[in-house]
Amino acid sequence: ETGVTQSPTHLIKTRGQQVTLRCSSQSGHNTVSWYQQALGQGPQFIFQYYREEENGRGNFPPRFSGLQFPNYSSELNVNALELDDSALYLCASKKREVGDTQYFGPGTRLTVL
Amino acid sequence: QKEVEQDPGPLSVPEGAIVSLNCTYSNSAFQYFMWYRQYSRKGPELLMYTYSSGNKEDGRFTAQVDKSSKYISLFIRDSQPSDSATYLCAMSTQGGSEKLVFGKGMKLTVNP
Repeated sequence: ETGVTQSPTHLIKTRGQQVTLRCSSQSGHNTVSWYQQALGQGPQFIFQYYREEENGRGNFPPRFSGLQFPNYSSELNVNALELDDSALYLCASKKREVGDTQYFGPGTRLTVL
Repeated sequence: QKEVEQDPGPLSVPEGAIVSLNCTYSNSAFQYFMWYRQYSRKGPELLMYTYSSGNKEDGRFTAQVDKSSKYISLFIRDSQPSDSATYLCAMSTQGGSEKLVFGKGMKLTVNP
């Protein structure tokens, strides 16, 4: 088990709604990344946060946004939910050092009806 | 062409078999290569992490990277039923703030 925790474990929303997912990074880690994993696919990079600023973004629209807090925890917000947003959302944390890699939390499973 | 290609399987083997999992990639800038194991409805768990070309061994697991062929492999010796999971290859261009690019994942079942 890594020290990365995520909440909630799973949730169900309807199309057009907004959702906020939360992540607490592993102790000593200052960089948080979010990934979307559709069923049967590998995780896709959404964005990364370091020092409370977005530090790299994948091919996701602006309705996917995030925050990082001074304690390095993070939120992922998705507005105007679409059916295709149904997926496992993974948070990963790491130290900002060359050679360190990312450690994943258990994920939040989002279902959009 | 996707940046990282991985045969999604599924792969079913008897207990004790040697398992070989592979990924190919197209981006020659990738320098860091990882293998993650993911059990059903769980987050990916880091298994192996290698930099550039070469081999790395950890217990029953061996990771190989051939940058000239843009090809990486994970070997599992004496496979156990507890190794049944989805195996994801991942790679990045830097070891710092970079994104990880994943393969699709290979579902492995080890039968007792």
